[in-house]
Amino acid sequence: ETGVTQTPRHLVMGMTNKKSLKCEQHLGHNAMYWYKQSAKKPLELMFVYSLEERVENNSVPSRFSPECPNSSHLFLHLHTLQPEDSALYLCASSQMSGGLETQYFGPGTRLLVL
Amino acid sequence: GENVEQHPSTLSVQEGDSAVIKCTYSDSASNYFPWYKQELGKRPQLIIDIRSNVGEKKDQRIAVTLNKTAKHFSLHITETQPEDSAVYFCAASIPEYGNKLVFGAGTILRVKS
Repeated sequence: ETGVTQTPRHLVMGMTNKKSLKCEQHLGHNAMYWYKQSAKKPLELMFVYSLEERVENNSVPSRFSPECPNSSHLFLHLHTLQPEDSALYLCASSQMSGGLETQYFGPGTRLLVL
Repeated sequence: GENVEQHPSTLSVQEGDSAVIKCTYSDSASNYFPWYKQELGKRPQLIIDIRSNVGEKKDQRIAVTLNKTAKHFSLHITETQPEDSAVYFCAASIPEYGNKLVFGAGTILRVKS
C-alpha cells in the first residue's frame, strides 16, 4: 500500500542522538496525526495537524517535536529520548470536512531507544 | 474527556464460530465509531465504521452495532477464519476540531483451526 508511507521503518538510537521520523501521505488529505503504540496500551494520540497547523498536542514531552511543512508531509523530530519512548510510532491522515472522516495509517516506525 | 473501554482483551474461538468484541464510551457527543484490524507487524486498517445516526451496519461477515443510549458498540465476526486472527481496536470520535479518535486498548483475536 502506498497511501501513507513512513520512513524509516526501524530505528535504533541512543539517548543522546537526534533523529527524525518522516511521514508522507498520497491521498490528498488535509489532516495528519502522530500516534504512539506501546505494548499492552491503547493507541495514544500525540499530535494533530490540520491544514498544516498544529491543533492538538496531547501533553507530549518536548523531546518530541513535530513539523508539518505542507499537507502531504509530517515529521517527528526526536531528541534525547528515554528507553520508555521505545514504541511503534504511527502516522495517519484524513480529510477533514465535517469531522467524521476515516483515518488511514502508515506502516509505522519501530523505535528502540538504548 | 472521552474514555473508551474494550473487552475482552483476548479472545480465542474455533474456526467457523462467531466472535464478539464490545466497547463502551463515555462522551455522549461521540458520533463516529470505527473498528481497525491490525495484523502482526502491519498497520491498523479500517474494517468497518458506524455513525451515530444508525444502529447497525453489516459488511459480509462483519457487523457493528451501536447503542447510543447505553453508549456501547460491538463488533461481530461470523464464520471466523484463521486469517481473522489479529488485534482489533475500537475507537470513538468526538465532533471537535481535529477529528480526534480515542482508541480502546485492543482485543487479540485468535481463531483456531
